[in-house]
Amino acid sequence: TQLLEQSPQFLSIQEGENLTVYCNSSSVFSSLQWYRQEPGEGPVLLVTVVTGGEVKKLKRLTFQFGDARKDSSLHITAAQPGDTGLYLCAGAPAQKLVFGQGTRLTINP
Amino acid sequence: GAGVSQSPSNKVTEKGKDVELRCDPISGHTALYWYRQSLGQGLEFLIYFQGNSAPDKSGLPSDRFSAERTGGSVSTLTIQRTQQEDSAVYLCASSIWTSEYNEQFFGPGTRLTVL
Repeated sequence: TQLLEQSPQFLSIQEGENLTVYCNSSSVFSSLQWYRQEPGEGPVLLVTVVTGGEVKKLKRLTFQFGDARKDSSLHITAAQPGDTGLYLCAGAPAQKLVFGQGTRLTINP
Repeated sequence: GAGVSQSPSNKVTEKGKDVELRCDPISGHTALYWYRQSLGQGLEFLIYFQGNSAPDKSGLPSDRFSAERTGGSVSTLTIQRTQQEDSAVYLCASSIWTSEYNEQFFGPGTRLTVL
């Protein structure tokens, strides 16, 4: 069974700080996705990374896929209250995604 | 309305009753997925459908759970003889099967509470 472990599970920081969330596995994934979920809504896709070592930027969010395609990180610069939410990574070994348990991020004004 | 829709948004039922949850995928998306999410947790895969192929039911937790997809579009997840541990948010997602990266689009979920 392929598992994805996210850390930390909970993170509460002040507005303006930087943070990094990690997604790790012992398995190789053909691609890895990051989703953000807000209360009462379904997850929304933020980015897909597919190449080992790939870095993608989405405004203040930077996503990196590990060289061996077993892990990924999400770095947020100058966090804002609007970044608050549940961040989920999901790996695609095939057509069935494997999800991590999520990181619940709270940005305090 | 281009997104995935689910109904009802909330369902409260008594233990032992059957419930049906509905999902309308994005038009043209051939793959449809059901997930379960317990409070504040990640997503637990339940079942997925792709076109006319036999569904992958490997995530269904018990034989009380079943799902069907009619006409390659709308899907219904049925839970028979509900138990309190079935309380969760049930999420549906759809994707374009030919998408190399299986990027999924989620509905808002149905929050099921079993009393």
